[in-house]
Amino acid sequence: GQQLNQSPQSMFIQEGEDVSMNCTSSSIFNTWLWYKQDPGEGPVLLIALYKAGELTSNGRLTAQFGITRKDSFLNISASIPSDVGIYFCAGQLGSGGSNYKLTFGKGTLLTVNP
Amino acid sequence: NAGVMQNPRHLVRRRGQEARLRCSPMKGHSHVYWYRQLPEEGLKFMVYLQKENIIDESGMPKERFSAEFPKEGPSILRIQQVVRGDSAAYFCASSPGPGSPSYNEQFFGPGTRLTVL
Repeated sequence: GQQLNQSPQSMFIQEGEDVSMNCTSSSIFNTWLWYKQDPGEGPVLLIALYKAGELTSNGRLTAQFGITRKDSFLNISASIPSDVGIYFCAGQLGSGGSNYKLTFGKGTLLTVNP
Repeated sequence: NAGVMQNPRHLVRRRGQEARLRCSPMKGHSHVYWYRQLPEEGLKFMVYLQKENIIDESGMPKERFSAEFPKEGPSILRIQQVVRGDSAAYFCASSPGPGSPSYNEQFFGPGTRLTVL
C-alpha cells in the first residue's frame, strides 16, 4: 500500500522562527491535505492542495504540492506559542470509490518556546 | 455546533464487551469516514460510507468490526468482543458529495477514545 514519509518527526523552535516540514510518497496523489491536531482533539484542516505545483497560503501557513505529485511541504512563518501541536500531511487519490480515503503521515510534533 | 459530532468522547470497556461509537456528520455532508489512531501514530483509514451504503471497507479488520450509516441517524462503528489491542482513538470525518468544490476535503470530529481493560 501507499506510504507517506513525514519529516522531521519533531521540532523545537523559538517563538518568531519559521518552520518547514515535508512529506514524500512512494506513489502519486492527486490531492494533498495538511492538518493540525491538538492533544485530545481531532485533526483540523489547515490547507488543501489540488494541482501539481500549486502554492497555497492560509495566514502564516504556506503549502506546496510537488511537481512530481509525490511530495508536499508546509511552512509556518513567525511561529507563535499556539502553533504547538502535531502536524499531519495526508494524500488522496480522489475520483471515486476507494480513492477518497486519506493516507496519513506519522506527524511532526512542533514545540514553540516563548 | 455545525461541526462533526462524535460520542461518547471516552469509552471504557472490559475485554469481551461491545463498543458502539457514534458519528453525526457536518450538516449537508453525505459521506462519512472512520479512522483509527494508535498512540504517537498517524491516522489509519478503516471504512468509507454513504447513506445506507458501504463504499470502501478495505481498512476494516475482517472480524468483530462493522460500520453502518443508516438513512436516518448517525453513523455507527461497532466493535464486538473487544480486546486490549482495540484501545485507540477512533475518529470520524465527513465530506460533501461529488459536485461540491470541496468534496475532497474531510473534516474530523473530536474522536472517541476507547480503553479496553
